Formats: sequence, structure tokens, C-alpha cells
Amino acid sequence: AQTVTQSQPEMSVQEAETVTLSCTYDTSESDYYLFWYKQPPSRQMILVIRQEAYKQQNATENRFSVNFQKAAKSFSLKISDSQLGDAAMYFCAYRNLPYFGNEKLTFGTGTRLTIIP
Amino acid sequence: DAGVIQSPRHEVTEMGQEVTLRCKPISGHDYLFWYRQTMMRGLELLIYFNNNVPIDDSGMPEDRFSAKMPNASFSTLKIQPSEPRDSAVYFCASSHDRNTEAFFGQGTRLTVV
Repeated sequence: AQTVTQSQPEMSVQEAETVTLSCTYDTSESDYYLFWYKQPPSRQMILVIRQEAYKQQNATENRFSVNFQKAAKSFSLKISDSQLGDAAMYFCAYRNLPYFGNEKLTFGTGTRLTIIP
Repeated sequence: DAGVIQSPRHEVTEMGQEVTLRCKPISGHDYLFWYRQTMMRGLELLIYFNNNVPIDDSGMPEDRFSAKMPNASFSTLKIQPSEPRDSAVYFCASSHDRNTEAFFGQGTRLTVV
């Protein structure tokens, strides 16, 4: 079974600074998807960014980017120019390149990010 | 599209009562997932459906839990009888196909007293 580990329960960063959230995963598969979801106090789970394992290029979405190290099974999220609205729980998630019966999304335990004004 | 819609947003019930949580996935999405979130166990997949058919229910805690998807636009998660340890936030999510991300509803916070 696949597992996702987020070793930083809490992180904080000064507004406008850059912060990196860590995620490692364990799998025997070669093709899969990785995601970062954000959960603000409103409780809504919001997709931040996704990465396909077969793509070598790291995904970016505006101020959000990932450092995907496939051999190390590492998938960190970098937030540049942190804003107060970035304060939330961040979850790393894994999904096999789906074949029938194996499409579930497995989550890490989350990292609570605090933005210091 | 309005996104994944869950109801109710909050539910408080007494131990032993039946609880039904509802979900309307995004139109056109083939997959529907039910997750439970607790402080102790994080986000756990309970069950998921593909084209209204349950595919994997191995995460359903016990026989008190059941889920149905009678059509492509509606699913329910029922707990009967409910217990205090069932208190959690229950999320419904849907995805268009097996290669796309899941979109989540706002969750139902269930409190069993």
C-alpha cells in the first residue's frame, strides 16, 4: 500500500517570504500522480497543484511550485511571496496512475502553515 | 458548475440515531469518493464509486456504515446506529475520470453526543 508522510506538523513564515513544505511517499509503482491540497479554516479542500510522475518538469502555478524528486520519492511545495490568505493546512496526496479498482487518493497528515504579518 | 454539494453542513445527533449524509457530485464526473477526517486519523477514504458502482469499500469502518449511489447525481452515506466515535468531518469528492484530480465538497461536520 502507498503511504504519504508529511514530517512538519506546523510551519510559519513571514509575509512576503518563501516557505517550503515537505512530503515524501512510498510506492512501488512507476507511474502516478501527486497533489497538494490546501484546507483553509473554511474547511474546503482546494487543489493547489498536481504533478504527473512521468513528467520530469516540475509543476508551477503562479506563486506555487513543486520540487519533484522521483528517485528520492520526495514532493515538496514551495510558496513564494507568502500572503496572509495562504494560511491553511496543506495536504500532500498520492494517486496511482489509475487502473480499474485502484483510483483512490491517499493523503498525508498535513502541515499547518501560519503566515506572520 | 456549483461544485460538489454536500448536505447538511453540520449535523448533531444523539447516540443510536440514524444519520444520512448527502452528496451531489459535479455533473459529468464518473468518480465519487467519501472521505472522513479526524484529528487522530487524518483523511481516510471510506468508499468510492465509478459510474454509480461501488469499487472499493474497504475503508468503511464497520457494518453500521453504508453508502449508495442510486444515480450519477446523488450519493448518500448512512450511519446506523451512530456512536460518539463517528464524530468527524465527512467529505464527498468527485473526479471527471481516472486521470484527473478530485474536487471536494465543503464537508459535513458530524457530532454524535
